Amino acid sequence: AQTVTQSQPEMSVQEAETVTLSCTYDTSESDYYLFWYKQPPSRQMILVIRQEAYKQQNATENRFSVNFQKAAKSFSLKISDSQLGDAAMYFCAYRSTMYSGGGADGLTFGKGTHLIIQP
Amino acid sequence: DGGITQSPKYLFRKEGQNVTLSCEQNLNHDAMYWYRQDPGQGLRLIYYSQIVNDFQKGDIAEGYSVSREKKESFPLTVTSAQKNPTAFYLCASSIPLKETQYFGPGTRLLVL
Repeated sequence: AQTVTQSQPEMSVQEAETVTLSCTYDTSESDYYLFWYKQPPSRQMILVIRQEAYKQQNATENRFSVNFQKAAKSFSLKISDSQLGDAAMYFCAYRSTMYSGGGADGLTFGKGTHLIIQP
Repeated sequence: DGGITQSPKYLFRKEGQNVTLSCEQNLNHDAMYWYRQDPGQGLRLIYYSQIVNDFQKGDIAEGYSVSREKKESFPLTVTSAQKNPTAFYLCASSIPLKETQYFGPGTRLLVL
């Protein structure tokens, strides 16, 4: 079974600064998907960014980018120009492609990192 | 607007009572999922369904049941066999072959 580890329970950053959230995972598969989700106080899970393991290029979405190190099984999220609205819980998630074609067996989540933005 | 709705927002359960959480989507997604979130934890998969009239157990299915009679709907029943049901429950959906899951706003279940 796959596992996802987020070693930083809480991170704090000054507004407009850059912060990096860490995520490592364990899998024996060669093809899979990785995600970062944001959960604000409303508790709605919002997709931030996704990465396909077969792609070497790191995904980028505006101020959000990832550093995907497949050999090291590392998937960190970098938030540039941090804004007050970025304050939330951030979850790293893994999805197998083993059963692709049917939506498979769901996402495996880490325990999350609470991101605090200091004004 | 397309999206996923969950109701109710808050639900209270008495001892020995079964309760049902609703999840509806109008995104035309075939696959639907139920997750449970406990304080300080990530989400854990309860059940999922890839197609109408079919569903599979996730990691923590004991004490829960589901049905999938319509593509749009995937209700979750928390049975009296679930001894620790207090949690936040999230429903999600996705398109097969497209791995991204989209989430509803969640239901908070509390035990009286």
